[in-house]
Parts: sequence; structure tokens; C-alpha cells
Amino acid sequence: DVKVTQSSRYLVKRTGEKVFLECVQDMDHENMFWYRQDPGLGLRLIYFSYDVKMKEKGDIPEGYSVSREKKERFSLILESASTNQTSMYLCASMWGSGNTIYFGEGSWLTVV
Amino acid sequence: DQQVKQNSPSLSVQEGRISILNCDYTNSMFDYFLWYKKYPAEGPTFLISISSIKDKNEDGRFTVFLNKSAKHLSLHIVPSQPGDSAVYFCAATPGGSNYKLTFGKGTLLTVNP
Repeated sequence: DVKVTQSSRYLVKRTGEKVFLECVQDMDHENMFWYRQDPGLGLRLIYFSYDVKMKEKGDIPEGYSVSREKKERFSLILESASTNQTSMYLCASMWGSGNTIYFGEGSWLTVV
Repeated sequence: DQQVKQNSPSLSVQEGRISILNCDYTNSMFDYFLWYKKYPAEGPTFLISISSIKDKNEDGRFTVFLNKSAKHLSLHIVPSQPGDSAVYFCAATPGGSNYKLTFGKGTLLTVNP
């Protein structure tokens, strides 16, 4: 079974703090993604990466950056957290293109 | 512009009956479609998919139908069970070298015992 692990399930951070959300997958997938899920808005893509050190902006990249130094690890960075970034963040990975995407369990971030 | 639309935010059905969840899309380049199920405080899990070369795909109690001319797909769950109560997301991708999935906003299904 594919395993996508998000290191932090629940975080509370202060406005202006730098926040790191870490994600690791164990299936050697080339593609990794960061989504956020908000009530009534569904899943929105923040960034994705199709290879080590490669990244592309998704639909809502503002206020976020990412890092992919190793194939199995994809980090989401909030440079200066704001209250409107309070959300559930979902990491995912996929092999190839047009295939099934596998999600982690999610990280609940509250910015106060 | 919402390319994948799930117009029903919620659906309630009785245990044992059929649940039908609908999804419409606008991008004619989409050729691969997926359904995901999500319980509260968990990540979405893959349920079933369909390629545009097919009009039906079945897996146990779950069947997905695709009507390309209408740009419409639906997920049928028969018989519905209380454990099916969750949010269901429809997703689509152009496939090929484009691996970006576009999700709908989700439909909350409640199956009443």
C-alpha cells in the first residue's frame, strides 16, 4: 500500500511565524502535491512537484513556497503565517500521469 | 471559473437504497475522472475512476457513469450503507503529460439507518 505521511497532524502557530509542513511518501512517486481543503471550497492545489527540485504553482500559491530536495519528501512553507491560512493541508503523491493520487491524513493548521 | 462542479452540497438517503452523486465538467480536455471519499479529519481516499474511452466502470457497490457529450459523470452506490456517509469529491485531469487534478467542491452524503 502507498503510504503518504504528514509529520504534523495538528499545529497552532502565531501570525507572522514561519511554518513548515513536511510530507514523505514511500512509493518512489515522481509527482507530489500540496492541497488545502476549506469548507465549501473543496480541494485547492497550492503547489506541485514532478521531480526533485522541480516545482510548479497550483491555483493558490500566494503566501506559500515549497521544497523538494529528495524524491520522497515534499515540504510546504508558510513564510509568514496569516489567519487566512488556517486550514486543513493535504499532501499527495502520484506515479506517472493521469493515475491515482494518494493522500496523506492531513495537517490541521490554526494560525492565531 | 469552476471546471469541475458538484452542484449538490449534500445528499441524504436511506440505508439499502441507491445513492447517486453527480458531477459536471466544462473542460473538454479532461479525459480521466476519479471519485474520492473523505471522512472528517482524514485525507481523501481513492474510490473509483473512469477513462474517457469508457462510459461505465464498476467496482462492487460502486459504479461510475460517464456521459462525454453532456460532460457529466455520476457515482452510484448500491446498496447504500451508513459507513458510506462521507464527503465525496469528483476530480478530473487531462491526463497525458498533465498530471494536475482539478477537484469539485464535494457532496456530503448521509446514509440513514
